Amino acid sequence: DAGVTQSPTHLIKTRGQQVTLRCSPKSGHDTVSWYQQALGQGPQFIFQYYEEEERQRGNFPDRFSGHQFPNYSSELNVNALLLGDSALYLCASSWAGSSYNSPLHFGNGTRLTVT
Amino acid sequence: AQTVTQSQPEMSVQEAETVTLSCTYDTSESDYYLFWYKQPPSRQMILVIRQEAYKQQNATENRFSVNFQKAAKSFSLKISDSQLGDAAMYFCAYRSPRTGNQFYFGTGTSLTVIP
Repeated sequence: DAGVTQSPTHLIKTRGQQVTLRCSPKSGHDTVSWYQQALGQGPQFIFQYYEEEERQRGNFPDRFSGHQFPNYSSELNVNALLLGDSALYLCASSWAGSSYNSPLHFGNGTRLTVT
Repeated sequence: AQTVTQSQPEMSVQEAETVTLSCTYDTSESDYYLFWYKQPPSRQMILVIRQEAYKQQNATENRFSVNFQKAAKSFSLKISDSQLGDAAMYFCAYRSPRTGNQFYFGTGTSLTVIP
C-alpha cells in the first residue's frame, strides 16, 4: 500500500524563479493538502485540493498556487521566489468522506532552498 | 486563527523513563479534535495519538497517553518506557469543523532520548 510520495526530495532555486513540487496521495485518498514548515516551526496550511479544485486556503499570497489532476495527484507552484520561501513543503492526503478525527497522512516533504 | 502553544522547545528523557510534553490551545469552540504527531529525521509526520474533545476519557495508544484537560485547554502527551526510537520532534495539532480541513500545529518539542 503506497503512502504519500513527494518529489523532488531537495531543490535549490534562485530568488525570482518559479518552482513546482509534486505529490501523489496515499492509495484510496482523494484529497491533498499542502503545508509549509519553516525551520524551527510547525507546519502551516497553504491550501487543500479536492475534485481538482482548491477547497480551502490558508494565509498565503497568490504566488502560491496549485493543481490537482484526475488521478488525485497534485502540484504546488510558487512564483517569484523569495528567500523566505525556503522551507520544507509537506504534502498530506486524506479521504473526503472521513470524519474530523481522521488524521492526515504525510509524505517526506520537499526541502526548498532559495538563494 | 487558532493558536496552539508548545512551551517546551526541547526535552530529554532517560531510556525506559517517562516524559510528558505539554500543549495548550486557544479556542472558543466545544467541538474539536486534537492530535500529536511525531516527526523523526526522515521528516515524515507520523500520527502518535488523537483525542476528540467530546470524549472525557483520555486516549491511550500503547506507551503513549494523553492528559486532556478541556477546561484548561491543555493536551499533554505522556511517553512511558521511552525508547531510542522515540527521539524526534513532536507536534501538537488542532482541528475543528469550523476550521474545516485546516490543521493548526504548534511549534514543536524536540525530544532527546538518552541511552
